[in-house]
Amino acid sequence: AQSVTQLGSHVSVSEGALVLLRCNYSSSVPPYLFWYVQYPNQGLQLLLKYTSAATLVKGINGFEAEFKKSETSFHLTKPSAHMSDAAEYFCAVSDGSSASKIIFGSGTRLSIRP
Amino acid sequence: GAVVSQHPSRVICKSGTSVKIECRSLDFQATTMFWYRQFPKQSLMLMATSNEGSKATYEQGVEKDKFLINHASLTLSTLTVTSAHPEDSSFYICSARDDGGDTQYFGPGTRLTVL
Repeated sequence: AQSVTQLGSHVSVSEGALVLLRCNYSSSVPPYLFWYVQYPNQGLQLLLKYTSAATLVKGINGFEAEFKKSETSFHLTKPSAHMSDAAEYFCAVSDGSSASKIIFGSGTRLSIRP
Repeated sequence: GAVVSQHPSRVICKSGTSVKIECRSLDFQATTMFWYRQFPKQSLMLMATSNEGSKATYEQGVEKDKFLINHASLTLSTLTVTSAHPEDSSFYICSARDDGGDTQYFGPGTRLTVL
């Protein structure tokens, strides 16, 4: 069985500060890992994904995440927060098979202080 | 990029009626589509996996007779909420997996309100 745990349901940072959203996973097979962003009343947009290639994954909007097998983590970071980054962020895992379902974490709401 | 659309974006209906939600992959083929529901301030919960030309696979606890899924073509899956009740009010989101790829693309969601 696969699962993800997002530490912190709400994170607040100042504009220009570092963003760090934590995600730990559990998987019995090599996982595929994803970060999605959701703005209010909208669907999900893929920020980045890890599919067993480079462990440091760069995504859109200046976000990146590092896969650390030893720590079973896939934390999302951005060096400098922007007001437009305020949204809900979901970490997710799948086993990568052709019809695999994605299991989502509980989500972290990111707020940006002016 | 890959685009998934949903229709309608918002629907309000009376209790006891049925509502159909469409999910379309606009520029790619999707043998497999997924349906999720999301309650306010909560995560997405997978309801079912929709497979083109075959029966959907439902997650535990999801009533297949209440949430009818049809995946008649490689670009369209529909979710019909039958005999809707207020507790079915939710945000329903579909996703489509690009055939041969490893990424799911999500639709914009449908807000269902049952009065």
